Amino acid sequence: DIQMTQSPSSLSASVGDRVTITCRASQSISRFLSWYQQKPGKAPNLLIYATSHLQSGVPSRFTGSESGADFTLTISSLQPEDSATYYCQQSYSTPYTFGQGTKLEI
Amino acid sequence: QVTLTESGPALVKPTQTLTLTCTLSGFSLSSYGMRVSWIRQPPGKALEWLARIDWDDDKYYSTSLKTRLNISKDTSKNQVVLTMTNMDPVDTATYFCTRDLLRYSIIDYWGQGKVVTVSS
Repeated sequence: DIQMTQSPSSLSASVGDRVTITCRASQSISRFLSWYQQKPGKAPNLLIYATSHLQSGVPSRFTGSESGADFTLTISSLQPEDSATYYCQQSYSTPYTFGQGTKLEI
Repeated sequence: QVTLTESGPALVKPTQTLTLTCTLSGFSLSSYGMRVSWIRQPPGKALEWLARIDWDDDKYYSTSLKTRLNISKDTSKNQVVLTMTNMDPVDTATYFCTRDLLRYSIIDYWGQGKVVTVSS
């Protein structure tokens, strides 16, 4: 199985800050990497797919990128509603695997 | 409008078999490129992918759970069924049904989730 190592596990930031969350895959996943936002008691919501494609309806302050083996979710100009847990997920091959999540406190 | 709705028991006893049904609306699993994945999340823990069934009836399973899982579809009812045998308290989780697209291999819609507790 492909392992997804996500960091940090938690972070605290302020409104207006820029934050970065990183995932590293244990092997090549091409660009089959998605990012989800999950709020307590809710299903995850797709933010980014195929590394850098913004899902329809998602604010443009969310961006995804890749550098070598590392995949990054950047949230520029944090808003209070961005407080949530964020997960990366590879869909290059089954079984799909997720990162352990990053809890973001605003 | 795409929706997925999970149904099944909220409580199962250890060693029992769990059967969950996902009812699809707004798309058909018989259409090319459509897939449905099941994903679970134990309380306070990360997401775990369980299984996937494709429009052409190909099936894929979690490595660690494949001996206990079975996924099937009834296209006439637009439903997907997941069974998990020999349930244990560690299987207590919220179980999500999701739409999974061949294009870009993305999971773009999630059901609201079904909370399942395993306890005697």
